[in-house]
Amino acid sequence: AQSVSQHNHHVILSEAASLELGCNYSYGGTVNLFWYVQYPGQHLQLLLKYFSGDPLVKGIKGFEAEFIKSKFSFNLRKPSVQWSDTAEYFCAVNARGAGNKLTFGGGTRVLVKP
Amino acid sequence: DVKVTQSSRYLVKRTGEKVFLECVQDMDHENMFWYRQDPGLGLRLIYFSYDVKMKEKGDIPEGYSVSREKKERFSLILESASTNQTSMYLCASSSPDWRGEQYFGPGTRLTVT
Repeated sequence: AQSVSQHNHHVILSEAASLELGCNYSYGGTVNLFWYVQYPGQHLQLLLKYFSGDPLVKGIKGFEAEFIKSKFSFNLRKPSVQWSDTAEYFCAVNARGAGNKLTFGGGTRVLVKP
Repeated sequence: DVKVTQSSRYLVKRTGEKVFLECVQDMDHENMFWYRQDPGLGLRLIYFSYDVKMKEKGDIPEGYSVSREKKERFSLILESASTNQTSMYLCASSSPDWRGEQYFGPGTRLTVT
């Protein structure tokens, strides 16, 4: 069974700082990769996704993520954060052949100080 | 816009009670899922369903059951609630496309006292 690790549980940074959240997964086959975000009091929503092609994917609100197959990683980045990026971020993996099941990481709480 | 709704945002129940959590989606999705969300553990899959009357166990099915009598509705049942089932419960739905993108409801925060 696959697993997903998010190494940072909590991140605190100031506005305009750069953000990078790590995500590593364990699965030897082909995967689809996702980052979801949960803003305070809101639904979990999709931030970006990778299925195939260019390993650098861009999502909403200026976020991007890079798939590095050799490292089994899918790190999330944003060059300059805003206070409104305060949220919890979840990495998720869908192993092809596993239907539509997603395996989630433990989440990273990000607090952006104004 | 996909809409997934859950019957309650907050619920308080006593130990031993039978608890029903309801989820409805309006996008005619075949797949529906129940997760629980706990701090530091992320989302863990309890049960999922690929079609009406079909269900499969997820990673943590113990103490839970599900029902899917209609395509749009997926219910999670706690037969005898226990304090370790205090959690946030999230419902999600998706199309049968293999890409796995799921749409989530607002969640039900269940407290069992």
